[in-house]
Amino acid sequence: GESVGLHLPTLSVQEGDNSIINCAYSNSASDYFIWYKQESGKGPQFIIDIRSNMDKRQGQRVTVLLNKTVKHLSLQIAATQPGDSAVYFCAEKSDRGSTLGRLYFGRGTQLTVWP
Amino acid sequence: DSGVTQTPKHLITATGQRVTLRCSPRSGDLSVYWYQQSLDQGLQFLIQYYNGEERAKGNILERFSAQQFPDLHSELNLSSLELGDSALYFCASSGGQGHEKLFFGSGTQLSVL
Repeated sequence: GESVGLHLPTLSVQEGDNSIINCAYSNSASDYFIWYKQESGKGPQFIIDIRSNMDKRQGQRVTVLLNKTVKHLSLQIAATQPGDSAVYFCAEKSDRGSTLGRLYFGRGTQLTVWP
Repeated sequence: DSGVTQTPKHLITATGQRVTLRCSPRSGDLSVYWYQQSLDQGLQFLIQYYNGEERAKGNILERFSAQQFPDLHSELNLSSLELGDSALYFCASSGGQGHEKLFFGSGTQLSVL
């Protein structure tokens, strides 16, 4: 199976609250990470990415945190809105031996935002 | 809108048949990637083309093949289809060849009956 996994398969939050989606990875050599949002019937939509030489990166209402010590990645969404309801995927870029670096996707977390 | 265009959106066919999925990358992107998404396997990388040449291969079956044309659009050919090939097939593109910051199309839902 994939090394990238998610701690929680589902997350329910109230509108206006902050959301935190977690992701674990097992390859300490992974040097690039990325988050995608996938709404029902649509393709994955790029949210934010981060390289391994950074601990934190901020976007519009989103922050990605990278903890290389424990091989953990998180996506924080501020003031969560109903439109944020979707499946969120993390992916790591890894060489995994002889193959060139490619993205390995986790299974995803379903975020549901309640009004 | 990611700028990546995939056709058709839906495809229904029978076992043993052959289908072709088409992808137009974002303007200026040289890399095209094909992914398969199923409920039990998640997003699986199939193959990548960069500027017309095969760049990387993932979990692509021998029954499947792809190509990228001089205008950079790509086609994924699936032959001798089996029930288990039913899945969402996504195309993605990026400017470079390094599997970073991929932009995905809306996918082709393939149903093999």
